[in-house]
Formats: sequence, C-alpha cells, structure tokens
Amino acid sequence: GNSVTQMEGPVTLSEEAFLTINCTYTATGYPSLFWYVQYPGEGLQLLLKATKADDKGSNKGFEATYRKETTSFHLEKGSVQVSDSAVYFCALSGVGGADGLTFGKGTHLIIQP
Amino acid sequence: EAGVTQSPTHLIKTRGQQATLRCSPISGHTSVYWYQQALGLGLQFLLWYDEGEERNRGNFPPRFSGRQFPNYSSELNVNALELEDSALYLCASSLAPGTGAYEQYFGPGTRLTVT
Repeated sequence: GNSVTQMEGPVTLSEEAFLTINCTYTATGYPSLFWYVQYPGEGLQLLLKATKADDKGSNKGFEATYRKETTSFHLEKGSVQVSDSAVYFCALSGVGGADGLTFGKGTHLIIQP
Repeated sequence: EAGVTQSPTHLIKTRGQQATLRCSPISGHTSVYWYQQALGLGLQFLLWYDEGEERNRGNFPPRFSGRQFPNYSSELNVNALELEDSALYLCASSLAPGTGAYEQYFGPGTRLTVT
C-alpha cells in the first residue's frame, strides 16, 4: 500500500533560518503529492502540490519538487518567520483518489524570534 | 467563496451513544472525504463519498458509517461509541474523480470527546 515518511520533530529554528522538512513516499504508479499545514486549533490548509515528476509546487515562499528517482518531496523555505510555526503534513493521493490521502505523521515546526 | 464547513465544532458523548457529524463541501465539489485525527495515530482515511454513493472506506469498523445527500453535503455517524473514538474528525471536499485534480480542501473539524 501507499505510505509517507517524514521527520516528526519538533523542529526548532530561529527566525530567518533556512527550512527543510524531508518527505519520502512509497506508492504504485504516479501519485500526486501535497504539503498541508495545520495551525493550532484549525483544520488543514493546502500549502502546495505537484502532480508529476519534476514538478515544483510553490506557495508563500515554500517550495517542494517531485523527485521520482528518489521518491521524495522535501519542503523548503529560504527564510522562515514566527508565523510559520505550525504542523506540516506531507501527503499523497494515488491515481483516481479512491483511497483518500495518505499522510505522514506530521512535523511540528517551532520558529523562535 | 465559502470553504468546507463542519458542525458541530465540539461534541461530547458517553460510551455506547451515537454521534452524528455534518459537513458541507465547497460549491461545485462532488466528493467528500472523512478523516480521523487521533492523538498518536495521525490522520487516517475513513470514508469517501461521491455523487451520493460510498466509494471507498478505510480500515475502520462498520459502526463508522455515513451518507451523502443530493446537495453533496455529508453526514458521518459513529455508533456504539468507544473511548478510543475521541479524536478530531476532518471532512474534506474535492472535484469529481477523473478530473485529474486530487487536491482536497479541509474543514475546521469536529472535536469528538467520548467519556
């Protein structure tokens, strides 16, 4: 079956630091890949997506590239802010979406001023 | 444009009772998914509805059930509640399958507490 593995943290960084959150996946065929963010007490917000190999998703300064050869979709941001503190989930959707989204365990990111 | 809405925000039930959770999708979305986010277990896929039919379910017992109405809103019912059913239940909506767009948009969730 499908699976997603990501670093769980917590990851603590200073403001303006460079961020990388690793995500690797196992899936058959060519899944679509996503990063979602969950702020305290809220539901999940779609951060970015990529639907085929070598696609780069980007939003709000965050980027991730769909790497088929390494089955990875690492999230990066050049300069984090305190407001980026949240839990980040890597997820995949198999072709057709029948099994819903498969999520990683989530990475708790803490940005200190 | 209104996002996915869920009600109630919080629900407190006792063991053995039934809980009903509701979800309204984004306008134009025909698929509704339900997920359970329990402490320590992460986000797990529960059910998928599209065009009024249950299309797939995750690894959950039959006492988790639901339905989708003609206006595409959905209900999740949990019967014979157990303490371990305490969790945040998230609803998500997406465009119809086959459109190639598989991103899902989530509501704020219903926090179910079973005592």
